[in-house]
Amino acid sequence: DIQMTQSPSSLSASVGDRVTITCRASQSISNYLNWYQEKPGKAPKLLIYAASDLQTGVPSRFSGSGSGTDFTLTISSLQPEDFATYSCQQSYSFPWTFGQGTKVDI
Amino acid sequence: QVQLQESGPGLVKPSETLSLTCTVSGGSISSYRWSWIRQPPGKGLEWIGFVYTSGNTNYNPSFKSRVTTSVDTSKNQFSLHLNSVTAADTAVYYCARVGYSTSSDWFDPWGQGTLVTVSS
Repeated sequence: DIQMTQSPSSLSASVGDRVTITCRASQSISNYLNWYQEKPGKAPKLLIYAASDLQTGVPSRFSGSGSGTDFTLTISSLQPEDFATYSCQQSYSFPWTFGQGTKVDI
Repeated sequence: QVQLQESGPGLVKPSETLSLTCTVSGGSISSYRWSWIRQPPGKGLEWIGFVYTSGNTNYNPSFKSRVTTSVDTSKNQFSLHLNSVTAADTAVYYCARVGYSTSSDWFDPWGQGTLVTVSS
């Protein structure tokens, strides 16, 4: 199985901060990498697919980059509604796997 | 827009079968793959498997032969059955649609999730 490792596991930030979350795959996954936002009691939300494509309706302050084994999710200016947990997911090979999540709090 | 809602028992006894249904509204269930994902308390997300509307399936080997999924196109629903459950199967279970492009496959949208506890 491909292991997905996110860093950091958690971070504290303030409104307006630029936040960067990293996801590393245990082997090359090309750009088969997606990012999700999770909030308690709510349906997880797709933010980025194929490493850098912004899902329709997702604010442009979210961006993704990377290819191969190293990927980044960036929030350019953190907003109050962005405090959540973010997870990456690879769909390069079965079984599809997720990172352990990065919690962004105040 | 398409919405998904999980339903099923919130408590299952050890060694029994966990059964959940996902109802798709706002769109047809046809021509997509439909997936189950779970999140044990304090842990990351884990992909269980997906089912095509044709009935073909793809499962995470971690679940070996314990899992089956099915689709009922007449009801716009798909189901998960996980047998021989233990406490380790306690988790929030999500259903989701699988989207795809030439570059990736992803889950969108998701249901809100349902907590299933395995306990006697």
